[in-house]
Amino acid sequence: NAGVMQNPRHLVRRRGQEARLRCSPMKGHSHVYWYRQLPEEGLKFMVYLQKENIIDESGMPKERFSAEFPKEGPSILRIQQVVRGDSAAYFCASSPTGTATYEQYFGPGTRLTVT
Amino acid sequence: AQSVTQLGSHVSVSEGALVLLRCNYSSSVPPYLFWYVQYPNQGLQLLLKYTSAATLVKGINGFEAEFKKSETSFHLTKPSAHMRDAAEYFCAVSGAGSYQLTFGKGTKLSVIP
Repeated sequence: NAGVMQNPRHLVRRRGQEARLRCSPMKGHSHVYWYRQLPEEGLKFMVYLQKENIIDESGMPKERFSAEFPKEGPSILRIQQVVRGDSAAYFCASSPTGTATYEQYFGPGTRLTVT
Repeated sequence: AQSVTQLGSHVSVSEGALVLLRCNYSSSVPPYLFWYVQYPNQGLQLLLKYTSAATLVKGINGFEAEFKKSETSFHLTKPSAHMRDAAEYFCAVSGAGSYQLTFGKGTKLSVIP
């Protein structure tokens, strides 16, 4: 059973470009979470999605950031017009249900560098 | 609202010595508590979790943690450190019935041969 897949593992973008980060949850998991890890910081919750629905995006910056989890295909975290402060590791996690009773399984992360 | 404080951003122990990583939490609801480990350039792996059953929780790789409500603590221990335990460890909390994990800032564990 493959784990949570994320690609690309490393992404370099120049200021003003767009970044697209992909996440394929574990087989059988329909709940996806995105977290951001800034240097010397723990992970911060960004958004929680189920198929075709955003359940909670309270941790998402108000501008430039969006997320989706379509009926078919991976979940996408999109960052428009990236700035240097967006440089971070972005982790996706998945779970079979939407409560902490079941642990969240994390992917290897995408490390975004904005130059 | 929940928060997690991990005391000590860096901890060094000798190989074979006791590992103790500290975690204190605050939560307005009964908490679920987790310890995750992150090896360099990898994702997070769950070590153990507390979900209101036994207060002493045993996890993988010989780690265990004890939930102490009176002290609002969930410290991680291992009797004897191995070189392969060198990694960063994160404590996290979630409210019962919630899904959002709140993480501490992490503790980097170094193991000295």
